[in-house]
Amino acid sequence: GAVVSQHPSRVICKSGTSVKIECRSLDFQATTMFWYRQFPKQSLMLMATSNEGSKATYEQGVEKDKFLINHASLTLSTLTVTSAHPEDSSFYICSARRRGLSGNTIYFGEGSWLTVV
Amino acid sequence: ELKVEQNPLFLSMQEGKNYTIYCNYSTTSDRLYWYRQDPGKSLESLFVLLSNGAVKQEGRLMASLDTKARLSTLHITAAVHDLSATYFCAVDKPNFGNEKLTFGTGTRLTIIP
Repeated sequence: GAVVSQHPSRVICKSGTSVKIECRSLDFQATTMFWYRQFPKQSLMLMATSNEGSKATYEQGVEKDKFLINHASLTLSTLTVTSAHPEDSSFYICSARRRGLSGNTIYFGEGSWLTVV
Repeated sequence: ELKVEQNPLFLSMQEGKNYTIYCNYSTTSDRLYWYRQDPGKSLESLFVLLSNGAVKQEGRLMASLDTKARLSTLHITAAVHDLSATYFCAVDKPNFGNEKLTFGTGTRLTIIP
């Protein structure tokens, strides 16, 4: 079963409203999670690194005031798209790093489809 | 800036044939990943390659890594329709193992009966 869960899997919102996407690590603690955005038929682009208990690190060109990231616990990171516009419609995917004795493993969530109308 | 390129971008092949997808990256990296993505879905992990010369195989797929050439290949043997998907390679940015991945452009593979 999934070890990283995203919710909702699909969401439709009106222009100008905000929408929150959750990313949970189900059976491990994740001090670091990552948020990606994928437009149709394109690759994944890293938006930001979510750090538990501290501010997220945003990639160049990503507006931190528009894409709010909160990593308030070791198992939950949230991405809030504020004042959404149709061009924000995309597939948003999170990942989490699970630390292990033999190395780290990355798990991806199931993804969240956002449609802004 | 780390750049990761895949080729081909699109690949149509007949069932039963063999083919190779190439992944080139621009700077030194700790590790390389291969993922599969079905339409409308998230990523499925296929392989993690950790060292020069690493080769891993699972079913009809085999991945290899040449860190000196900064090249990884994903070889498909005797393709079947179920392998139709988009395949991505991803490279870990050289940041002490911080899994901050840079993805390749993707290869959309279509297997024709």
